[in-house]
Amino acid sequence: DSGVTQTPKHLITATGQRVTLRCSPRSGDLSVYWYQQSLDQGLQFLIQYYNGEERAKGNILERFSAQQFPDLHSELNLSSLELGDSALYFCASSRMMGPDNEQFFGPGTRLTVL
Amino acid sequence: QQQVKQSPQSLIVQKGGISIINCAYENTAFDYFPWYQQFPGKGPALLIAIRPDVSEKKEGRFTISFNKSAKQFSLHIMDSQPGDSATYFCGIGNTGFQKLVFGTGTRLLVSP
Repeated sequence: DSGVTQTPKHLITATGQRVTLRCSPRSGDLSVYWYQQSLDQGLQFLIQYYNGEERAKGNILERFSAQQFPDLHSELNLSSLELGDSALYFCASSRMMGPDNEQFFGPGTRLTVL
Repeated sequence: QQQVKQSPQSLIVQKGGISIINCAYENTAFDYFPWYQQFPGKGPALLIAIRPDVSEKKEGRFTISFNKSAKQFSLHIMDSQPGDSATYFCGIGNTGFQKLVFGTGTRLLVSP
């Protein structure tokens, strides 16, 4: 158990809908990362927050947005969902920012868009 | 544009054999090279990492070999065990860029 929690575990929705994925980092971790994992693309970095502020952005679509709240939990919002958004979404956390800080991954949220 | 190329995509090794997974990158600014291990149904977890000031790092049966001039690094798993069956991701990072870029993953199966 990494100490990172993600909810929900599974999410099934329809095209065009909007969903919110939630992540609680390990106690004491200030940095939160979001990744998308699909079969053919591996682990794609989406976005990173550190202590409430956006710090790095990857190939995150404009339909996706995220935020980190004062209690350090984070939410990833996915809107106007398309079939291709079906994937595993992971949240990870680390003590500080910087790629050389070990990232602890949550169990993921499996999103299925029908 | 793939910043790090990982190979092979999948690998089958017999128990007791050596598993070797390779990664190559282009940008010499990267200075942190981790390997993450992911078991089915779980999130990835850090296995071992290296910085470019050393050419090799060993932790138990796992070794990273780093070739700075060739811009390549590899993971060697000695005496591979069925419990090592997982997907392995290499990563490249640079503190100036903040983010970690992962390879596409290698699915390893160690047959009993």
